[in-house]
Parts: sequence; structure tokens; C-alpha cells
Amino acid sequence: KAGVTQTPRYLIKTRGQQVTLSCSPISGHRSVSWYQQTPGQGLQFLFEYFSETQRNKGNFPGRFSGRQFSNSRSEMNVSTLELGDSALYLCASSSNPPGDYTEAFFGQGTRLTVV
Amino acid sequence: DAKTTQPNSMESNEEEPVHLPCNHSTISGTDYIHWYRQLPSQGPEYVIHGLTSNVNNRMASLAIAEDRKSSTLILHRATLRDAAVYYCILRPRGSNYQLIWGAGTKLIIKP
Repeated sequence: KAGVTQTPRYLIKTRGQQVTLSCSPISGHRSVSWYQQTPGQGLQFLFEYFSETQRNKGNFPGRFSGRQFSNSRSEMNVSTLELGDSALYLCASSSNPPGDYTEAFFGQGTRLTVV
Repeated sequence: DAKTTQPNSMESNEEEPVHLPCNHSTISGTDYIHWYRQLPSQGPEYVIHGLTSNVNNRMASLAIAEDRKSSTLILHRATLRDAAVYYCILRPRGSNYQLIWGAGTKLIIKP
């Protein structure tokens, strides 16, 4: 079956703009989580969704937001982009809710460059 | 938050076992230990996880110290395809994916 699909793969935006990234989980998976990966900070957890509800949130400013739709697809939005938001944004999906762990399957990520 | 410490890089010969260490001296009693790896230009891939006992799966083995302050990922017979960055991660119970990632170890496999 198809893996986790993230679109777009690459994106260039200007400071101050906003951006929306999309993630389609593996069919049947209801948990989606988002991560930011930068050379300096490594992988950092952004948020975790299950059944359209945000279950956990990392330590990121309010400019970073997300949502999950009834078909489990998820989007994350970053408003008022800063140069430091340049990163690889990774989405992962799994079949189980928080508290009942199964492995996470990651997409290839969206490479965001802010200029 | 509890953190993990790993060597920046390690080298190993193909078809030999590899032991990747991880230090997590401030781990709490309810944190799970996970390992993921990331091949170049790809998202991370799950390898293995455990809580207190040693664990084995088709990819690797995880040896957890009795005091849980360290663990070792064991690849029994490394191949060139195992060249990747290996992350030792702590996961608080109750959250599936609020993983606390370390800097990772870049594993270099020599043919």
C-alpha cells in the first residue's frame, strides 16, 4: 500500500508569508504527527493528531498550527515566516491512538526554504 | 525533558556486527527507548523499541542496561544498506509521537 505522502516536496517562500504543508497518511492510519528537522536542532516534535483532535503539542510558537481532517489527512500552517523556519518538515502516521503505540511511518518530508 | 547522548559517528566493516551506544542517564521510569534510522534523503524509519527488557526483531536487537541509563542497538550483520543516521529516542508514556530526538550517530559501513 502507498506510504505517507507529503506535498509539496520543495517550497521557497519569502519572509512574512505563510505556508501550508499537506500530509496524507497511510490508508487506515488515524494518527498523524509532525516534526521539524534542521541541522542545528535536529528533529523536533511539532504536534500529534488523532481523529481530528490535537493530542500533544511541542514547544513551538503559535505561528505553527495544524489540523486533521475526517479522512485523517493533515495540514500544518506556518504564518509570518522567518528565516529560521527553513527546515525539512516531516509527517508520520500510525494506526493507533496515543497510549497504544505502534511504529510511526514517515514521509519523505517537505523542504521549506525561507528567503 | 530527559535527553539522549550518542557518538557523532561510527565506522564498521560490512558483514560485521555493530553496537551503537546511547546514554540516557536522566530517563524517567515511564519513558520508552526507541531507535529510528534515517537514510539519506528519506524520512526516519522505525528500528526497534523497548522499556526494560532486551528486545529483538528482524532488523536489530536492543540491549537495555539494568538501571536503564544506557542502551545499545545491535545490528548483527551490517550491510551497506545500513549506512544511515541512527537516532536513540525517548518516548514519554501516554504520547505516541512526542519523541525526544537526540543528535544521532552517523553509521559508516566500509565494504
